[in-house]
Amino acid sequence: EDKVVQSPLSLVVHEGDTVTLNCSYEVTNFRSLLWYKQEKKAPTFLFMLTSSGIEKKSGRLSSILDKKELFSILNITATQTGDSAIYLCAVDPRFGLGNDMRFGAGTRLTVKP
Amino acid sequence: NAGVTQTPKFQVLKTGQSMTLQCAQDMNHEYMSWYRQDPGMGLRLIHYSVGAGITDQGEVPNGYNVSRSTTEDFPLRLLSAAPSQTSVYFCASYGYGYTFGSGTRLTVV
Repeated sequence: EDKVVQSPLSLVVHEGDTVTLNCSYEVTNFRSLLWYKQEKKAPTFLFMLTSSGIEKKSGRLSSILDKKELFSILNITATQTGDSAIYLCAVDPRFGLGNDMRFGAGTRLTVKP
Repeated sequence: NAGVTQTPKFQVLKTGQSMTLQCAQDMNHEYMSWYRQDPGMGLRLIHYSVGAGITDQGEVPNGYNVSRSTTEDFPLRLLSAAPSQTSVYFCASYGYGYTFGSGTRLTVV
């Protein structure tokens, strides 16, 4: 059975800290891994990763995929209170369809001033 | 703004009542889905559609029906609400990754 496991489930840091969120997966026919940020309402798209070793970067956020070891990490540097959210990892086994996408339970990040 | 519009935002139902959650998107996406989100369980797929007139079951379909008469609209129907259906529901359409609606917090008492 396909599964996506995120760790840690919860994390509390102070502003300025750097955090690393983990996502491991076991799926058949892997096509892409996606990261989402969920604040009070709907998840918003962060990154889509399809190839190993290529870092995706957006401001203080970056992510990389290891298809051999079946995991991805999401790094946030110089954290701010606005980074407080649930971060969701999802694996899409059939690129472009989305109907078989599997989500992890999420990591709840709290950034204290 | 383009995106996914989901209504209502909040709803309280009594056990046995029925209701429809509305979802509309204006991005001309073929693929749309309904998810429920429960604490500690992430997002679980209820039903999905790959285009007008085509729907299929996801991971947790029991107690829910969907239809897709147009590309834009994808309503979710609860046939006879049960307390186990208390959850937050998200509609989403798929282009480059998912675009989610703002969610419906449903409580069944």
